[in-house]
Amino acid sequence: AQSVTQLGSHVSVSEGALVLLRCNYSSSVPPYLFWYVQYPNQGLQLLLKYTTGATLVKGINGFEAEFKKSETSFHLTKPSAHMSDAAEYFCAVRVDYKLSFGAGTTVTVRA
Amino acid sequence: NAGVTQTPKFRVLKTGQSMTLLCAQDMNHEYMYWYRQDPGMGLRLIHYSVGEGTTAKGEVPDGYNVSRLKKQNFLLGLESAAPSQTSVYFCASSYVTSGASEQYFGPGTRLTVT
Repeated sequence: AQSVTQLGSHVSVSEGALVLLRCNYSSSVPPYLFWYVQYPNQGLQLLLKYTTGATLVKGINGFEAEFKKSETSFHLTKPSAHMSDAAEYFCAVRVDYKLSFGAGTTVTVRA
Repeated sequence: NAGVTQTPKFRVLKTGQSMTLLCAQDMNHEYMYWYRQDPGMGLRLIHYSVGEGTTAKGEVPDGYNVSRLKKQNFLLGLESAAPSQTSVYFCASSYVTSGASEQYFGPGTRLTVT
C-alpha cells in the first residue's frame, strides 16, 4: 500500500523566512508525487508534481520540492515566505489513478 | 472554462434526510472523484469513476452512493444522513494519461448534519 506522512500539522514562519514542509511517502513502485495548496474556503490547487526525470521540481508561487528516493521524501520549500502563503498544504502520492493524501500542514505567516 | 463546479455550496440536513451533491466538469475528463475532508485527516476518497456509466468504491464509501450517467457529471448521494457525515465534500476530475495527470478540484460543499 502506498501512503503519505506529513510531519507537523502546523508550521509558523515569519514573513521573509524559509518555509519547509516535510513529506515522506511509502511506495513499492516509483511514485508520482504532488503538492497541493488550499486557501481558506477554497478547493485544492496544484503547486507542483514529480513524475520522472529531474528530482528538483519547481512550482507556482516560488515553491519547489526535491524528490529523494533514498530518503523516500518529497519536502516542499520556499526561500522567503509571504503573507499570501498562509494556507493548508497537502502532499499526495498517486496510487493507480487515485491520489492518497497526507493529513495536511497548516502554514501561518507572522508579520 | 468553468473547470469543476459543485452544487450546492452549503447545506444543512437533519439526521435521516437525503440529498444529492452535483459535480460538473467542462474539461472532457474521463476520471472523476468524490472526497471528504475532515480536520486532521486530509482528503479521503469516497467513490470514483473511470468513465461514463462506471463507478467504484474508494476508501470510505459506506453511507454514500454515486452515479455517472453523463461524462461531465458525477453525483454523490446520501440516502439517510448521519451526523458523522458532517464534512466538506470535494469533487475532482482528471485526464487519462500514461503519466501523472493531476486532479482538478471543485470549490467544495460544506454539509452539516444535525
